[in-house]
Amino acid sequence: SSELTQDPAVSVALGQTVRITCQGDSLRSYYASWYQQKPGQAPVLVIYGKNNRPSGIPDRFSGSSSGNTASLTITGAQAEDEADYYCNSRDSSGNHGFGGGTKLTVL
Amino acid sequence: QVQLQESGPGLVKPSQTLSLTCTVSGGSISSGGYYWSWIRQHPGKGLEWIGYIYYSGSTYYNPSLKSRVTISVDTSKNQFSLKLSSVTAADTAVYYCARGLARRDDAFDIWGQGTMVTVSS
Repeated sequence: SSELTQDPAVSVALGQTVRITCQGDSLRSYYASWYQQKPGQAPVLVIYGKNNRPSGIPDRFSGSSSGNTASLTITGAQAEDEADYYCNSRDSSGNHGFGGGTKLTVL
Repeated sequence: QVQLQESGPGLVKPSQTLSLTCTVSGGSISSGGYYWSWIRQHPGKGLEWIGYIYYSGSTYYNPSLKSRVTISVDTSKNQFSLKLSSVTAADTAVYYCARGLARRDDAFDIWGQGTMVTVSS
């Protein structure tokens, strides 16, 4: 399955901008999707495709990609954005894989 | 609005087969353009993709689990199921079912709440 690498932890001051990255060879060919997971809850899709947000996801969440790296950017981080974030992508065989997750702390 | 709900035993004995069902409500599992997936999360760990089945019946499994996994669909009940054989304590996890968008910008857009499965004698 797709092998993706994320930084284990990132912090951001309240109201500031933070970028969470995801690296993997499959990202050169396939889009990443991003999921937010709060303690005790199921993951929620926040970004997919080139830069698409599902209904209900605030526009402070955005996505981008370059080469083998996909990024999730939160512009003006809020306290409620504190969570684990996972990237996901597929490979040429149709197999999916998740990154190890990034724990975001909002200071 | 489509919703997914997992169901099945919360406790499975080692060497037995773990069986879970995901019931889809608010939409048809036979609708084209989607795939139906299972994902798990070991306690305190990250997400692990198990596999998925397309509306056409084609299946894709995580290579590390492929020999033990079967995902199937029951369109008459609007459900899809996971069977994981020869379980060990390492299969103890929260199991999620999720809907996937079967297109270039694919993603798991709808998730069930998850169900905890413990493997223990």
